[in-house]
Amino acid sequence: DTAVSQTPKYLVTQMGNDKSIKCEQNLGHDTMYWYKQDSKKFLKIMFSYNNKELIINETVPNRFSPKSPDKAHLNLHINSLELGDSAVYFCASSQGGQKETQYFGPGTRLLVL
Amino acid sequence: QQQVKQSPQSLIVQKGGISIINCAYENTAFDYFPWYQQFPGKGPALLIAIRPDVSEKKEGRFTISFNKSAKQFSLHIMDSQPGDSATYFCAASMRSGGYNKLIFGAGTRLAVHP
Repeated sequence: DTAVSQTPKYLVTQMGNDKSIKCEQNLGHDTMYWYKQDSKKFLKIMFSYNNKELIINETVPNRFSPKSPDKAHLNLHINSLELGDSAVYFCASSQGGQKETQYFGPGTRLLVL
Repeated sequence: QQQVKQSPQSLIVQKGGISIINCAYENTAFDYFPWYQQFPGKGPALLIAIRPDVSEKKEGRFTISFNKSAKQFSLHIMDSQPGDSATYFCAASMRSGGYNKLIFGAGTRLAVHP
């Protein structure tokens, strides 16, 4: 009964490829997020969706495209992968409103060769 | 103005000692200050959080001290245990376009030695 799950856990791919990461939450939350954690452990928000609507879009290359088919799922598609995209990508969810606690998934470790 | 500055970058404490991690912010629009704990290979998890209307919050061995005028807050871990060894992130939340946006500090790697 994992609250926030991500697939795959590990992703190793070549430069120039296109890949997707999937996220699902079973907490009934309205808001979902994608974060990138670099090799120095710095954690930065990329996108946020509320009820399938994009609400936060940080300065992220447009090779990154999030998609939310329903409020329990938020996927991240990355086109033309570059070496600098290597990182751990975390999905998170929160109830929204005054309930600000974000619940993070286990992360997807992406390595671009 | 959206930065949250965290120090130290790494910290080594003996078992039973006190671990102290400090954070500072600039933007007075921040209104919620959580601390997250991350173990290797796992996602961050909320440890404790505070709002700026109180100066201190304690949960077990973990205490947040908040100084609104100085725009600083800190995490104290009393009686530190080897199981507390993890990376700790302070964060600050603000409303952005009607929704909450969390800005994280750079993290502190804590090692508690037996």
